[in-house]
Amino acid sequence: QLQLQESGPGLVKPSETLSLTCTVSGGSISSSGFYWGWIRQPPGKGLEWIGSIAYSGSTYYDPSLKSRVAISVDTSNNHFSLKLNSVTATDTAVYYCARLAGYGEHGDYWGQGTLVTVSS
Amino acid sequence: QSALTQPASVSGSPGQSITISCTGTSSDVGRYNLVSWYQQHPGKAPKLMIYEGSKRPSGVSNRFSGSKSGNTASLTISGLQAEDEADYYCCSYAGSSTPVLFGGGTKLTVL
Repeated sequence: QLQLQESGPGLVKPSETLSLTCTVSGGSISSSGFYWGWIRQPPGKGLEWIGSIAYSGSTYYDPSLKSRVAISVDTSNNHFSLKLNSVTATDTAVYYCARLAGYGEHGDYWGQGTLVTVSS
Repeated sequence: QSALTQPASVSGSPGQSITISCTGTSSDVGRYNLVSWYQQHPGKAPKLMIYEGSKRPSGVSNRFSGSKSGNTASLTISGLQAEDEADYYCCSYAGSSTPVLFGGGTKLTVL
């Protein structure tokens, strides 16, 4: 059974960089045909897609975040990462990592989510 | 691109059927048969209920079904049960540059 687990600081200061890692177990992150993505959910609000990385290494980002975000994969450690720079309070959210299937548009496995608060 | 449009809330009594709509455009919902639906209980991660418009992942009850007409996709839940009370989100493929577009979410209340 594939499992995903987010990890990283729960508190980030404004203007700094938010960094999270998603560790994949029970399967290889190098499996062809899948994408690995990040989705966030501000408190009390809906889901927001941040971006994803394909097994080929191609990346796709939400246009509104594209200038501040980077997603990378570490196949040797079977994990992928999110970096979001110049954060503000509006970036406070629960951050989920997920395996995305099909055209990278549906998440069939999700992490439990991790709350990141942006505050000084 | 704008988020997909869902009603903020729907409700139904146990045993009844309800339908949640998800309206997009001819560039996303209308162009591709790649709409997915997620169920999210409070404090939990989203759970995939429908993908590629009408396909159910293994283990998802056949009380959940998906369909599409034009630029609007729909999720129907039949034989409502108390455990179905949750938030539901639709999601559509929107092209290779922006693969994922979410709806704003719908809160389902089982009366």
